[in-house]
Amino acid sequence: SQQGEEDPQALSIQEGENATMNCSYKTSINNLQWYRQNSGRGLVHLILIRSNEREKHSGRLRVTLDTSKKSSSLLITASRAADTASYFCATVDNFNKFYFGSGTKLNVKP
Amino acid sequence: KAGVTQTPRYLIKTRGQQVTLSCSPISGHRSVSWYQQTPGQGLQFLFEYFSETQRNKGNFPGRFSGRQFSNSRSEMNVSTLELGDSALYLCASSLTSGGVYEQYFGPGTRLTVT
Repeated sequence: SQQGEEDPQALSIQEGENATMNCSYKTSINNLQWYRQNSGRGLVHLILIRSNEREKHSGRLRVTLDTSKKSSSLLITASRAADTASYFCATVDNFNKFYFGSGTKLNVKP
Repeated sequence: KAGVTQTPRYLIKTRGQQVTLSCSPISGHRSVSWYQQTPGQGLQFLFEYFSETQRNKGNFPGRFSGRQFSNSRSEMNVSTLELGDSALYLCASSLTSGGVYEQYFGPGTRLTVT
């Protein structure tokens, strides 16, 4: 299956610390996207990185992509309690299908 | 701009019944995708519609169907409901098809099948 796998499944940190979560996938991609979901609600798009890009920044977010290892990482710097949510990576293949990973549950303790 | 809206937000049905869920995309967005989210299977892609045509389809049985209207609003229908269909159904709209743009998700419809 193309579905990505996030690692770790759960992460608990203190406010102010950095949070890193990883995503691995299996086949070629057009791009990879990261989304956040607050408890049982809709997903919010965070960042999109294309297959020919290696790194992208958006505010406190930094995403890297290594297509040779078929993996991506999302770094949230100086985390806040409001960052508590589930984070999903989504790969888009060359047939334009989206595949979401299983998600990382991030808990940021105030 | 108003976000993606989904109706109803909550639904309780019994096995064997059928259900129709509705999604209104962001104004100007022409692509609408549907996803099923369950604790066991995660987020799974159902189908994508663009300009009233189904562009992509996930691995779901034929009981799951959808359509898109000329104003880009979309509906999905599940016939002969099974207990395993209990899930959060998410709709997402995008400017166009092709996966090169981010998707904007609605709040979802929580379907419970008893």
